Amino acid sequence: AQSVSQHNHHVILSEAASLELGCNYSYGGTVNLFWYVQYPGQHLQLLLKYFSGDPLVKGIKGFEAEFIKSKFSFNLRKPSVQWSDTAEYFCAVNGVLTGTASKLTFGTGTRLQVTL
Amino acid sequence: GAVVSQHPSRVICKSGTSVKIECRSLDFQATTMFWYRQFPKQSLMLMATSNEGSKATYEQGVEKDKFLINHASLTLSTLTVTSAHPEDSSFYICSAAGLSYEQYFGPGTRLTVT
Repeated sequence: AQSVSQHNHHVILSEAASLELGCNYSYGGTVNLFWYVQYPGQHLQLLLKYFSGDPLVKGIKGFEAEFIKSKFSFNLRKPSVQWSDTAEYFCAVNGVLTGTASKLTFGTGTRLQVTL
Repeated sequence: GAVVSQHPSRVICKSGTSVKIECRSLDFQATTMFWYRQFPKQSLMLMATSNEGSKATYEQGVEKDKFLINHASLTLSTLTVTSAHPEDSSFYICSAAGLSYEQYFGPGTRLTVT
């Protein structure tokens, strides 16, 4: 069974600070990896995704994530956070299946609070 | 980009009644749709996976007779919560996947059972 761990449950940063949110997964096969963001009162939005190729992926709003296969990790980073980045961040993984979409397994989420 | 809608966005119902939630893919054909449940300040938990024209596959612990899922067309899936109880109050979110296998999420439906 696949699982996703997000070790940081609640992170508080000042504006302009750098951000790194940890994500580790467990899955016995090839995976697709995702980071989603959920702003207060809004629905899930895709920040970035990794399917294959360059393990360093860039997403929207200045976010990036690096897939390190040997560590089963897909940490999210941003060099300088803004107050508007305050949100809940979810890491997710699904197995690569042929011919069909496979279910996503989500981590427990990290609540990011950016202070002015 | 791909857009997924859900209707209604909010619903309040009395205990014992049934509620139907619709999930539509507006600009693509969704061969697979997923239904998730999200409790306050918690992550999304997958309830079931539905492929168009087939019976849904439920996750362990999800009652298939209580949460009826129908995926009759490539653009519509419905989730019916039957005989709802207060503990069914939650945020229900659907996602849809087409040929790219990437999932696109709906805005969610907040169900409150009184």
